[in-house]
Amino acid sequence: EAQMIESGGGLVEPTGSLRLSCEVPGFTFSTSAMAWVRQAPGKGLEWIATIDGSATTTYYAESVEGRFSISKDNPRNVLYLFLRRLRADDTAIYFCARETARGLESWGLGIPVTVSS
Amino acid sequence: DIVLTQSPVTLSLSPGARATLYCKASRSVGTSLTWYQHKPGQSPRLLIYDSSTSVPGVPARFRGSGSGTDFTLTISGLDPEDFAVYYCRQRSVWPRTFGGGTKIEV
Repeated sequence: EAQMIESGGGLVEPTGSLRLSCEVPGFTFSTSAMAWVRQAPGKGLEWIATIDGSATTTYYAESVEGRFSISKDNPRNVLYLFLRRLRADDTAIYFCARETARGLESWGLGIPVTVSS
Repeated sequence: DIVLTQSPVTLSLSPGARATLYCKASRSVGTSLTWYQHKPGQSPRLLIYDSSTSVPGVPARFRGSGSGTDFTLTISGLDPEDFAVYYCRQRSVWPRTFGGGTKIEV
């Protein structure tokens, strides 16, 4: 299975916005649920959002609900995460992952997001 | 939300030793519990799903067990490549949650 690759990360000021992308080659993207997971410096993994295959249903962690939104472009095989009203505690490595009936089976390499003035 | 509490936080062992990791849920998740291995600078890797089923390609020394609120990941005979952080995650209800992780170190 080809590697998923995230992009769009970087340095952003508090209250700013960012859009992360995850290119997903190879598998049947349009029928695959996808997720974003992050890891803050020195911390553990945190699930933050999932979208179903058809992109009709989304789920969010309380820590990002109302600020982040997950979407997928099925024809282009791209997963997105829109990050708004960013805070210092959103600083993390953000991973995209494919969620199957087994769990988070395929992962991207991760992309860093730093929120700082 | 379901809180997953992993113990111990750190496990100091030698290669060849047996590692036993615990994951306790704040309420029942049935068998909807997965285990992941995460090494620094790498992507996490799914090891076990449905509490006790190994993902194809995962070495037989990794064994998951448990149901309801109490789960165990056992690694029989640690290989040097097994030194990493291990996380449990429940897939029973939304929001999905991870445990805080157990680090296996030398």
